[in-house]
Amino acid sequence: GENVEQHPSTLSVQEGDSAVIKCTYSDSASNYFPWYKQELGKRPQLIIDIRSNVGEKKDQRIAVTLNKTAKHFSLHITETQPEDSAVYFCAASTRAGGGNKLTFGTGTQLKVEL
Amino acid sequence: SAVISQKPSRDICQRGTSLTIQCQVDSQVTMMFWYRQQPGQSLTLIATANQGSEATYESGFVIDKFPISRPNLTFSTLTVSNMSPEDSSIYLCSATTGPTGELFFGEGSRLTVL
Repeated sequence: GENVEQHPSTLSVQEGDSAVIKCTYSDSASNYFPWYKQELGKRPQLIIDIRSNVGEKKDQRIAVTLNKTAKHFSLHITETQPEDSAVYFCAASTRAGGGNKLTFGTGTQLKVEL
Repeated sequence: SAVISQKPSRDICQRGTSLTIQCQVDSQVTMMFWYRQQPGQSLTLIATANQGSEATYESGFVIDKFPISRPNLTFSTLTVSNMSPEDSSIYLCSATTGPTGELFFGEGSRLTVL
């Protein structure tokens, strides 16, 4: 089965700096890579995703890059703000029927300090 | 996106008892899944809830312990049977909608087993 590794487990940055979280996956058949943000006591929220036919995707301050050859993908957050503080999970999937059965990374606790 | 409602949101249970968690989605979905998130940990897939047939369980999870029903496209239940303190966790219902297959989560059900 799929195995997703995520680094770092904790990340502390100053407000306004950039944050980068990296993930690797094992199954070359995986073709969908979402990122979730989970605030304390809340549900995971999808913030961005990328599919295997795309190398990079950007949405305002958030971007994701994918290197299929190396089987790794990264989340980049620029101009970080205190409200970006949360746990971020990467995930990988091979499509299961009409939807996506996801394998999650171990999570990164991001803290944005004033 | 889909709105996914779970109940109960939290419960305290006695060892040896069983609890059923309900999940309702506000629109027709293609796939429904149940995840477990132990304190401070990542999300682990328990099973895929299949409409009108037996759920598909992941390694380490069995039907006798986690029976799942999905009588229609928008509703599913997960029962945690014969609970022990090790079952204390957040149980998350999730669903994918539409052809893009993005996965959305319910608010979670936080179970504490004494």
